[in-house]
Amino acid sequence: GQSLEQPSEVTAVEGAIVQINCTYQTSGFYGLSWYQQHDGGAPTFLSYNALDGLEETGRFSSFLSRSDSYGYLLLQELQMKDSASYFCAVRDSSYKLIFGSGTRLLVRP
Amino acid sequence: GAVVSQHPSWVICKSGTSVKIECRSLDFQATTMFWYRQFPKQSLMLMATSNEGSKATYEQGVEKDKFLINHASLTLSTLTVTSAHPEDSSFYICSAFTTGVNEKLFFGSGTQLSVL
Repeated sequence: GQSLEQPSEVTAVEGAIVQINCTYQTSGFYGLSWYQQHDGGAPTFLSYNALDGLEETGRFSSFLSRSDSYGYLLLQELQMKDSASYFCAVRDSSYKLIFGSGTRLLVRP
Repeated sequence: GAVVSQHPSWVICKSGTSVKIECRSLDFQATTMFWYRQFPKQSLMLMATSNEGSKATYEQGVEKDKFLINHASLTLSTLTVTSAHPEDSSFYICSAFTTGVNEKLFFGSGTQLSVL
């Protein structure tokens, strides 16, 4: 089977840095993705890691360690609009995405 | 960038009726599309994989006779919720991926189904 674990909620202040961790157990692994979802909206793609290391895209960075079955999403210079749910997801060989339970991020002034 | 269009965005129907949801890839061909369901404050659960020109592959626990999937062309997949009941009320989201160097999975905007 496949499972992904991430914290249910994280709270941070505007301008701060927050890290959302994700650990996974999967029968096949072809990359770790991160998605953002605002209430009532559809998920939007943030980043994808197929290899170990750090991927940076603007204020967002994502890290993967395949040996540890672990990754994280790093959000810098937090803004109020970053308040949303963040999902990690593992892709298998058939391009299916299995999602974690999601982390609800609340950014406070 | 690649766009996936999903229609309708919301639908309210009476119990026992059928509802069709369309998912289109607007500027790329998608041989495979995925259908997810999301209940409030929960994660996205994969329902089925839609393959162009062949039968869909359903995840364990998903009733294939209740959730009919048709992928008749490289740009269109449809999900029909047959004989809908209140417990089918949920947010349904389709997705499709582009292959190649910039491989990405794109989601439709979702359909909020409310069954009365």
